[in-house]
Amino acid sequence: NFMLTQPHSVSESPGKTVTISCTGSSGSIASNYVQWYQQRPGSAPTTVIYEDNQRPSGVPDRFSGSIDSSSNSASLTISGLKTEDEADYYCQSYDSGSWVFGGGTTLTVL
Amino acid sequence: QVQLVQSGAEVKKPGASVKVSCKASGYAFTGYYIHWVRQAPGQGLEWMGRVTPNSGLTNYAQKFQGRVTMTRDTSISTAYMELSRLRSDDTAVYYCARADSSGYYLEYWGQGTLVTVSS
Repeated sequence: NFMLTQPHSVSESPGKTVTISCTGSSGSIASNYVQWYQQRPGSAPTTVIYEDNQRPSGVPDRFSGSIDSSSNSASLTISGLKTEDEADYYCQSYDSGSWVFGGGTTLTVL
Repeated sequence: QVQLVQSGAEVKKPGASVKVSCKASGYAFTGYYIHWVRQAPGQGLEWMGRVTPNSGLTNYAQKFQGRVTMTRDTSISTAYMELSRLRSDDTAVYYCARADSSGYYLEYWGQGTLVTVSS
């Protein structure tokens, strides 16, 4: 079964830049779009990146997404970190008609 | 504005079934897929499946095949997710979510419904 692997947690200081990776277990991650969802405690997820690198309206351009075929991974980069960015982040893609989520990464901004 | 309003929390015994509703408003209900995603306490997101409101066609995650049924009632713009033969590890928050127009991502989410399975 296709899996997406994320680091369990990352931390960085306010104003800095952090990158969260999402590695596909097989095939080419570039073959299907990757999305990124942000989830704050007690709330439903919201989309911060869709179709690999697109931002929904209202998401600041501090958030960006990319694909690296050589490492079969997707990345979410958040620049100019703010304390409000502290949340869980999930990548999501597809496999044979099913949707797959990564295990999630807890971002701590300290 | 688009809203997805889910039914309230449920407590069920092992072996029972639960049916969660998701009432949509603010858009044409039949035009967008509705997905169901669950999250066990302290755990990550898990995709369960989706229903096509226009046709009623469904696509379920293999893990839930035979135990989950997703339906919709277009007359009241409501989607349903029924999970049977509940076990304690089905305790989770269940979310409905509407895909975007291309179907590639989950654009709007319900508030979640906590289902607790306990004897």
